[in-house]
Amino acid sequence: QVQLQESGPGLVKPSETLSLTCTVSGGSISSYYWSWIRQPAGKGLEWIGRIYTSGSTNYNPSLKSRVTMSVDTSKNQFSLKLSSVTAADTAVYYCAREESSSITFDYWGQGTLVTVSS
Amino acid sequence: EIVLTQSPGTLSLSPGERATLSCRASQSVSSSYLAWYQQKPGQAPRLLIYGASSRATGIPDRFSGSGSGTDFTLTISRLEPEDFAVYYCQQYGSSSFTFGPGTKVDIK
Repeated sequence: QVQLQESGPGLVKPSETLSLTCTVSGGSISSYYWSWIRQPAGKGLEWIGRIYTSGSTNYNPSLKSRVTMSVDTSKNQFSLKLSSVTAADTAVYYCAREESSSITFDYWGQGTLVTVSS
Repeated sequence: EIVLTQSPGTLSLSPGERATLSCRASQSVSSSYLAWYQQKPGQAPRLLIYGASSRATGIPDRFSGSGSGTDFTLTISRLEPEDFAVYYCQQYGSSSFTFGPGTKVDIK
């Protein structure tokens, strides 16, 4: 059974860079797209971007200028960096696996709350 | 970017009743890439329907999806207590994903 676990600081200061890592267990990270999705408290889901295990990326156009994703196949991990954060970036951040044929998110992490505050 | 709109925002129903949730897209969406998710408080979303009408693994047959083009529907034939949750539609196109704002199904 594939499991995903987000990790990283729960508190980030305004204007700084948010950094999160997702560790995949129970299966290989290879040959899949892996996404980051966020959800502000009481609000809907926003796709941030995805990365393939080759390192190829696609980002949400509204966040593209601030997002960088990377992958470390040797550690079965992928990461998110979001720069110049503001309070509007406060949210639960999920990592998720993209199922190849249906292009849906079939496995999700439990989510991690990141608060942007001084 | 394709914008998804869901209606109603909240649906108040009793267990055993039928729920009909709507998802409308600002432009045509490939049916192959329209999905529905269920989310309960404090949990990650769970995939229910993919390809507009195919149930994901382990999803009960009281959940069904239909539609094409810009109009899609999720139907729960008879609500069970565990079905009261928020439901999101999601589409994929042009290497990007968007979600609808969600429909909350709560107990009347």
